[in-house]
Amino acid sequence: EAGVTQFPSHSVIEKGQTVTLRCDPISGHDNLYWYRRVMGKEIKFLLHFVKESKQDESGMPNNRFLAERTGGTYSTLKVQPAELEDSGVYFCASSQEHTYEQYFGPGTRLTVT
Amino acid sequence: GQNIDQPTEMTATEGAIVQINCTYQTSGFNGLFWYQQHAGEAPTFLSYNVLDGLEEKGRFSSFLSRSKGYSYLLLKELQMKDSASYLCAVREAGAGSYQLTFGKGTKLSVIP
Repeated sequence: EAGVTQFPSHSVIEKGQTVTLRCDPISGHDNLYWYRRVMGKEIKFLLHFVKESKQDESGMPNNRFLAERTGGTYSTLKVQPAELEDSGVYFCASSQEHTYEQYFGPGTRLTVT
Repeated sequence: GQNIDQPTEMTATEGAIVQINCTYQTSGFNGLFWYQQHAGEAPTFLSYNVLDGLEEKGRFSSFLSRSKGYSYLLLKELQMKDSASYLCAVREAGAGSYQLTFGKGTKLSVIP
């Protein structure tokens, strides 16, 4: 069974540009989560999808971040326009039921210069 | 909100036992997770505790005391490949909220 995959693995963009990150959860997992780890800090929650619906987006830092999960399969996280403080590793995780363990992807390392 | 504390770094010898502690303060509690993360890789699920007591899974065990806001991860018969960061994460109780709140992680170095 394939795990959670994320694309790209690395992205370097300039301040003010737009970047879109993609996450493919484990097949059959209705729950999809986005997290972020900035340098020297802990992994922090961004939002949670159940199928195509946003269940909890309390961790989204501001309106420059837009997450979608059309069709309830893969998800995208768009940052527009990117700022320097957006640099970090963005993790996606999925779970079969919300009470089950979350399986993480390898992350996308985003560098904003 | 939640506050999770764990040691920043630990060093242990191959073949030995190491205990990584985690303390948490939360307004609600719905489970504690331990993840292992090798550099540049995905965090990998190790264990889950929601009730007090010890959960054993091979060389790894995890303990929880909800009244003390305390957990530990016990690694036995350490191997070099166990060198990694170990993340303690708490799931908060609350309607519709299943997010994990993570500690900063404990970097474990296993030496020969």
